[in-house]
Amino acid sequence: GAVVSQHPSRVICKSGTSVKIECRSLDFQATTMFWYRQFPKQSLMLMATSNEGSKATYEQGVEKDKFLINHASLTLSTLTVTSAHPEDSSFYICSADGLAADTQYFGPGTRLTVL
Amino acid sequence: ILNVEQSPQSLHVQEGDSTNFTCSFPSSNFYALHWYRWETAKSPEALFVMTLNGDEKKKGRISATLNTKEGYSYLYIKGSQPEDSATYLCAFGNQGGKLIFGQGTELSVKP
Repeated sequence: GAVVSQHPSRVICKSGTSVKIECRSLDFQATTMFWYRQFPKQSLMLMATSNEGSKATYEQGVEKDKFLINHASLTLSTLTVTSAHPEDSSFYICSADGLAADTQYFGPGTRLTVL
Repeated sequence: ILNVEQSPQSLHVQEGDSTNFTCSFPSSNFYALHWYRWETAKSPEALFVMTLNGDEKKKGRISATLNTKEGYSYLYIKGSQPEDSATYLCAFGNQGGKLIFGQGTELSVKP
């Protein structure tokens, strides 16, 4: 149990395009989903918290208009990187809670490269 | 700004060695401390969630302790095996579910 999938695992895009990343909880319903990113040699940094059916809460310094989060159902959250630029190249990873108390279950991550 | 530090950054041991790593975090406003195991190309796997000072948890050959008063947690691996090779992450959790991660300790176990 507690499997979270993420798609795609890897994406390369041109500067100025938008990229959508999907995060799904496969065998449980996730009340809350979290989005993190990790730059090389740095720790996982929380970008935003999303609750099903409501607006996401963004961490300081994360542009909500650039990183659009939609949490339309209890098993799916999407992160869209709009007008991507090379500095957005990073590893994006989602997590979901709702199964065991105080435990987040992570997807395998998405490597985004913006040319 | 809340800071979570892990040491060492990397560790190379021989199969059969026992090893331990440290996670340091602020001792004020403590809620929970999480340990994850992250193998390359896989999802981070939850190992432990610890909430009480003095907590000790065990999962097979892996165990962890928690000292909230001084702000540290130790993760121990007894008799390391090559399959234990991974990055071990700790994260400070608040009541809202937010996790603040350390940079991780990368463990390599040679057969």
